[in-house]
Order: sequence, then C-alpha cells, then structure tokens
Amino acid sequence: EVQLVESGGGLVKPGGSLRLSCAASGFTFSNAWMTWVRLAPGKGLEWVGRIKSRTAGGTTNYAAPVEGRFTISRDDSKNTLYLQMNSLKTEDTAVYYCATSLGQSGASHYWGQGTQVTVSS
Amino acid sequence: EVVLTQSPGTLSLSPGERATLSCRASQSVTGNFLAWYQHKPGQTPRLLIYDTSGRATGVPDRFSGSGSGTDFTLTIGRLEPEDFAVYYCQQYGNSPFSFGPGTKVDIK
Repeated sequence: EVQLVESGGGLVKPGGSLRLSCAASGFTFSNAWMTWVRLAPGKGLEWVGRIKSRTAGGTTNYAAPVEGRFTISRDDSKNTLYLQMNSLKTEDTAVYYCATSLGQSGASHYWGQGTQVTVSS
Repeated sequence: EVVLTQSPGTLSLSPGERATLSCRASQSVTGNFLAWYQHKPGQTPRLLIYDTSGRATGVPDRFSGSGSGTDFTLTIGRLEPEDFAVYYCQQYGNSPFSFGPGTKVDIK
C-alpha cells in the first residue's frame, strides 16, 4: 500500500524557517518524481514545487511565490522527501501535502494527509 | 507561466443531474497534460482524471474528461450525494504546474 506521511509542521514567526519531511513507503521511492502542494485557508490548491528522480537528474522546479526561499530535496536511502522553508511569510500559512504519481507524471495520484504550517507573530 | 481559469465558480445542482465544469488555459497545455482533482473539506485531494481523459484508479465511470489545447471539460454524468465538492484542474505540461481556482459543486 502506498503511504505518504508528512511531518514537521508547526507555528513559526515571520522570517523563520521550518523543514517538512514526507516519509514514503509501499513503492520504489527512488524512481518517483515527488511534489509539494499547499492549501491556504480560504484559498485553492497551490503547486509548490517538485523534484525529479535521481536517474532523471534530480532537478527541482518551484512556483514563483516560493522560488529562492524554499528548497526541495530527497534522501532515497531513507525514502524521504523534504521541503526546507526559509524566510517564511504569513502568506505561507497552509496545509502542506506531499504527492506523487509513482513515476514521472506530474499528475498526483497519491497524497499524504498533510501537515499544518502557521506563520504568525 | 500557464494560468488556468475555471468556470463557473459555483455550480448548484441536484443529485441525478449532469455537471459540466470548464477549465481554460492561457496558452496551449503541452501534451494535453491536464488533470482534475476532487477536494472535500478536511480530506486529502483525490485525483479523478489525468492526461485529459484518463480515469484514475477507482474513479467511477460517471466522471469523464475531454478537451485539448486550451479548453478542457470535466463531466459528471449523474451527480451522486458524495460528488458535492470542489473540483480543480491542473496542468503539468509546463513548469510551474499550476492549478485552477476551483469550481464548487453544491446542492441546489
């Protein structure tokens, strides 16, 4: 069974940092291109970014609002995806989901349950 | 960046009726790589349709997707009570992989 479990969310002050993790199981993590999506209160789904598999170059792409502040990485030996968030703003407050198609598609067939990030003074 | 627009913003229908949701892109979606998701409050988003018309695993056949280029449609053949939710389209042909603002389907 495919499982994605996010952790690391919490309350942080503006300008602060947070690292989210997504533990994956039930599939070959090293082959999967992984995605982060967020849902802010009262708003719609927002694509945050994605990382390709190492065999595909391991490259990352980001949405404009987070480019230069957020970094996606992966540790295939631990089957874990990360989202390092720096210089956090109040508008980054959201539930953050990790997701995957299991392969190279950008469509997200499987989702984690999400982790809440609140940026507030 | 590809900007997606969804219409209508809200669709009020009764169970048993047919729902037609539209997604329009600001430029042609590469490869027609377009997906539709269903989201209910407090739940995880659910993939319904990928690659414009492919039905995801376990999705009932009353859900269908069509379109190409800049215009795409999600059709729900006959609404069941569990179908009342927010529906998002997403393009993944060109990074950043943008979502539309969503269409809320509510009970009339």
